[in-house]
Amino acid sequence: DVKVTQSSRYLVKRTGEKVFLECVQDMDHENMFWYRQDPGLGLRLIYFSYDVKMKEKGDIPEGYSVSREKKERFSLILESASTNQTSMYLCASKRQGAGDTQYFGPGTRLTVL
Amino acid sequence: QQQVKQSPQSLIVQKGGISIINCAYENTAFDYFPWYQQFPGKGPALLIAIRPDVSEKKEGRFTISFNKSAKQFSLHIMDSQPGDSATYFCAASNRGGGADGLTFGKGTHLIIQP
Repeated sequence: DVKVTQSSRYLVKRTGEKVFLECVQDMDHENMFWYRQDPGLGLRLIYFSYDVKMKEKGDIPEGYSVSREKKERFSLILESASTNQTSMYLCASKRQGAGDTQYFGPGTRLTVL
Repeated sequence: QQQVKQSPQSLIVQKGGISIINCAYENTAFDYFPWYQQFPGKGPALLIAIRPDVSEKKEGRFTISFNKSAKQFSLHIMDSQPGDSATYFCAASNRGGGADGLTFGKGTHLIIQP
Protein backbone atom coordinates (compact mmCIF):
# COMPACT_ATOMS: atom_id res chain seq x y z
CA ASP A 1 0.00 0.00 0.00
CA VAL A 2 1.44 3.32 -1.06
CA LYS A 3 2.11 5.85 1.62
CA VAL A 4 3.01 9.52 1.84
CA THR A 5 3.37 10.83 5.35
CA GLN A 6 3.71 14.38 6.59
CA SER A 7 5.37 15.21 9.87
CA SER A 8 2.53 17.17 11.40
CA ARG A 9 -1.22 17.40 10.83
CA TYR A 10 -1.52 20.74 12.58
CA LEU A 11 1.11 23.38 13.23
CA VAL A 12 0.91 26.83 14.81
CA LYS A 13 3.82 29.21 14.37
CA ARG A 14 4.50 32.89 14.94
CA THR A 15 5.32 35.48 12.32
CA GLY A 16 9.02 35.48 11.51
CA GLU A 17 9.67 31.93 12.67
CA LYS A 18 11.48 29.45 10.45
CA VAL A 19 9.17 26.54 9.68
CA PHE A 20 10.03 23.08 8.40
CA LEU A 21 7.42 20.80 6.88
CA GLU A 22 8.59 17.27 6.29
CA CYS A 23 7.30 14.70 3.81
CA VAL A 24 8.32 11.07 3.45
CA GLN A 25 7.23 8.56 0.80
CA ASP A 26 7.85 4.84 0.82
CA MET A 27 7.27 4.11 -2.86
CA ASP A 28 10.75 4.87 -4.21
CA HIS A 29 9.25 7.64 -6.35
CA GLU A 30 11.55 9.98 -8.21
CA ASN A 31 9.23 12.99 -8.24
CA MET A 32 7.98 14.83 -5.18
CA PHE A 33 5.83 17.95 -4.91
CA TRP A 34 4.65 20.55 -2.45
CA TYR A 35 1.27 22.22 -2.97
CA ARG A 36 -0.72 24.63 -0.87
CA GLN A 37 -4.49 24.41 -0.77
CA ASP A 38 -6.66 27.42 -0.03
CA PRO A 39 -10.47 27.68 -0.18
CA GLY A 40 -11.62 28.80 -3.59
CA LEU A 41 -8.13 28.59 -5.05
CA GLY A 42 -7.65 24.86 -5.38
CA LEU A 43 -4.17 23.39 -5.16
CA ARG A 44 -1.22 25.45 -6.26
CA LEU A 45 2.24 24.04 -6.90
CA ILE A 46 4.99 25.57 -4.76
CA TYR A 47 8.04 23.48 -5.63
CA PHE A 48 8.81 20.07 -7.01
CA SER A 49 11.81 17.79 -7.20
CA TYR A 50 12.56 15.21 -9.86
CA ASP A 51 15.62 13.74 -8.17
CA VAL A 52 17.77 13.96 -5.06
CA LYS A 53 19.19 17.46 -4.63
CA MET A 54 17.24 18.66 -7.67
CA LYS A 55 14.43 21.18 -7.38
CA GLU A 56 12.28 23.32 -9.60
CA LYS A 57 10.03 26.26 -8.82
CA GLY A 58 6.33 25.81 -9.24
CA ASP A 59 3.71 28.49 -9.66
CA ILE A 60 4.05 30.19 -6.26
CA PRO A 61 7.59 29.69 -4.89
CA GLU A 62 7.99 33.10 -3.27
CA GLY A 63 8.65 32.85 0.45
CA TYR A 64 9.45 29.14 0.30
CA SER A 65 12.45 26.92 -0.23
CA VAL A 66 12.85 23.15 -0.37
CA SER A 67 15.40 20.48 0.39
CA ARG A 68 15.76 16.96 -0.92
CA GLU A 69 18.80 15.21 0.51
CA LYS A 70 17.35 11.71 0.28
CA LYS A 71 15.06 10.20 -2.32
CA GLU A 72 12.26 9.47 0.13
CA ARG A 73 12.22 12.82 1.91
CA PHE A 74 11.20 16.26 0.66
CA SER A 75 11.14 19.24 2.99
CA LEU A 76 9.39 22.56 2.59
CA ILE A 77 10.95 25.50 4.41
CA LEU A 78 9.39 28.82 5.28
CA GLU A 79 12.41 30.98 6.04
CA SER A 80 10.37 33.66 7.81
CA ALA A 81 6.75 32.71 8.21
CA SER A 82 4.09 35.30 7.46
CA THR A 83 0.36 35.33 8.11
CA ASN A 84 -0.41 34.96 4.40
CA GLN A 85 1.29 31.57 4.52
CA THR A 86 -1.47 30.23 6.73
CA SER A 87 -2.76 27.36 4.63
CA MET A 88 -3.07 23.61 4.13
CA TYR A 89 0.16 22.18 2.74
CA LEU A 90 0.03 18.96 0.75
CA CYS A 91 2.94 16.81 -0.28
CA ALA A 92 2.72 14.38 -3.19
CA SER A 93 4.94 11.92 -4.96
CA LYS A 94 4.88 10.05 -8.26
CA ARG A 95 6.93 7.80 -10.42
CA GLN A 96 9.04 9.51 -13.07
CA GLY A 97 7.15 10.04 -16.31
CA ALA A 98 4.23 12.25 -17.10
CA GLY A 99 0.75 10.98 -16.47
CA ASP A 100 1.46 8.72 -13.55
CA THR A 101 -0.67 9.06 -10.48
CA GLN A 102 0.35 11.55 -7.85
CA TYR A 103 -0.09 10.20 -4.34
CA PHE A 104 -0.87 12.78 -1.72
CA GLY A 105 -0.17 12.91 1.98
CA PRO A 106 -2.89 13.91 4.48
CA GLY A 107 -1.74 17.52 4.62
CA THR A 108 -0.39 19.87 7.27
CA ARG A 109 -2.62 22.71 8.34
CA LEU A 110 -0.28 25.57 9.20
CA THR A 111 -1.47 28.62 11.08
CA VAL A 112 0.86 31.60 11.32
CA LEU A 113 -0.09 34.06 14.05
CA GLN B 1 -3.71 33.28 -15.46
CA GLN B 2 -5.84 30.32 -14.56
CA GLN B 3 -5.09 27.51 -16.94
CA VAL B 4 -7.82 25.14 -15.79
CA LYS B 5 -11.28 26.56 -15.07
CA GLN B 6 -13.66 24.40 -13.08
CA SER B 7 -17.38 24.81 -12.49
CA PRO B 8 -19.55 24.83 -10.52
CA GLN B 9 -17.88 25.80 -7.27
CA SER B 10 -20.50 23.85 -5.33
CA LEU B 11 -23.17 21.36 -6.30
CA ILE B 12 -26.06 19.70 -4.51
CA VAL B 13 -27.54 16.55 -6.05
CA GLN B 14 -30.23 14.21 -4.82
CA LYS B 15 -29.31 10.62 -4.13
CA GLY B 16 -29.57 8.60 -7.31
CA GLY B 17 -29.13 11.62 -9.55
CA ILE B 18 -26.32 12.50 -11.94
CA SER B 19 -23.58 14.85 -10.79
CA ILE B 20 -21.78 16.77 -13.52
CA ILE B 21 -18.65 18.85 -13.04
CA ASN B 22 -17.05 20.72 -15.92
CA CYS B 23 -13.53 21.88 -16.66
CA ALA B 24 -11.98 23.91 -19.45
CA TYR B 25 -8.32 24.35 -20.20
CA GLU B 26 -6.29 26.80 -22.21
CA ASN B 27 -2.93 25.15 -22.76
CA THR B 28 -3.17 22.94 -25.85
CA ALA B 29 0.01 21.15 -24.73
CA PHE B 30 -1.88 19.49 -21.89
CA ASP B 31 -2.23 15.80 -22.57
CA TYR B 32 -3.20 14.17 -19.32
CA PHE B 33 -6.42 15.01 -17.47
CA PRO B 34 -7.03 13.42 -14.06
CA TRP B 35 -9.81 13.96 -11.58
CA TYR B 36 -9.03 13.86 -7.88
CA GLN B 37 -11.46 13.29 -5.02
CA GLN B 38 -10.82 14.72 -1.57
CA PHE B 39 -12.66 13.90 1.64
CA PRO B 40 -12.41 16.20 4.68
CA GLY B 41 -9.16 15.71 6.55
CA LYS B 42 -7.61 13.68 3.75
CA GLY B 43 -5.30 14.41 0.86
CA PRO B 44 -6.70 14.22 -2.69
CA ALA B 45 -6.78 10.78 -4.29
CA LEU B 46 -6.89 9.95 -7.98
CA LEU B 47 -10.40 9.03 -9.08
CA ILE B 48 -10.13 8.64 -12.84
CA ALA B 49 -7.97 10.04 -15.65
CA ILE B 50 -8.09 10.40 -19.42
CA ARG B 51 -5.72 11.14 -22.28
CA PRO B 52 -6.84 13.16 -25.32
CA ASP B 53 -6.74 10.23 -27.72
CA VAL B 54 -10.13 9.05 -26.41
CA SER B 55 -13.38 10.95 -25.97
CA GLU B 56 -14.74 9.04 -23.00
CA LYS B 57 -13.55 6.84 -20.17
CA LYS B 58 -15.78 5.02 -17.75
CA GLU B 59 -14.94 3.38 -14.45
CA GLY B 60 -17.96 2.13 -12.57
CA ARG B 61 -20.29 5.04 -11.88
CA PHE B 62 -17.66 7.61 -12.90
CA THR B 63 -17.23 8.80 -16.49
CA ILE B 64 -14.94 11.40 -18.01
CA SER B 65 -16.09 13.01 -21.24
CA PHE B 66 -13.40 14.79 -23.23
CA ASN B 67 -13.85 17.30 -26.06
CA LYS B 68 -10.46 18.13 -27.52
CA SER B 69 -11.67 20.74 -30.00
CA ALA B 70 -13.53 22.65 -27.30
CA LYS B 71 -10.72 22.10 -24.77
CA GLN B 72 -13.23 20.87 -22.24
CA PHE B 73 -13.66 17.79 -20.11
CA SER B 74 -16.23 16.79 -17.56
CA LEU B 75 -16.85 14.30 -14.79
CA HIS B 76 -20.19 12.51 -14.60
CA ILE B 77 -21.16 10.59 -11.48
CA MET B 78 -24.10 8.32 -12.18
CA ASP B 79 -26.46 7.16 -9.43
CA SER B 80 -24.83 9.60 -7.00
CA GLN B 81 -24.57 8.36 -3.41
CA PRO B 82 -24.11 10.19 -0.11
CA GLY B 83 -20.64 8.62 0.10
CA ASP B 84 -19.70 10.57 -3.04
CA SER B 85 -19.99 13.81 -1.07
CA ALA B 86 -16.50 15.30 -1.33
CA THR B 87 -14.50 17.97 -3.09
CA TYR B 88 -13.55 17.14 -6.66
CA PHE B 89 -10.62 18.65 -8.53
CA CYS B 90 -9.91 18.43 -12.21
CA ALA B 91 -6.31 18.77 -13.28
CA ALA B 92 -4.09 18.76 -16.33
CA SER B 93 -0.46 18.22 -17.14
CA ASN B 94 1.90 18.32 -20.07
CA ARG B 95 4.02 15.23 -20.44
CA GLY B 96 6.52 17.08 -22.57
CA GLY B 97 6.82 20.08 -20.31
CA GLY B 98 9.30 18.48 -18.00
CA ALA B 99 7.57 19.73 -14.91
CA ASP B 100 5.36 16.72 -14.32
CA GLY B 101 3.38 18.87 -11.94
CA LEU B 102 -0.38 19.14 -12.17
CA THR B 103 -2.35 22.31 -12.79
CA PHE B 104 -5.53 22.05 -10.75
CA GLY B 105 -8.94 23.61 -11.07
CA LYS B 106 -10.30 25.40 -8.03
CA GLY B 107 -12.46 22.49 -6.94
CA THR B 108 -16.15 21.60 -6.66
CA HIS B 109 -17.75 20.88 -3.32
CA LEU B 110 -20.30 18.16 -4.02
CA ILE B 111 -23.08 17.29 -1.60
CA ILE B 112 -25.34 14.31 -2.24
CA GLN B 113 -28.57 14.62 -0.30
CA PRO B 114 -30.15 11.38 0.93
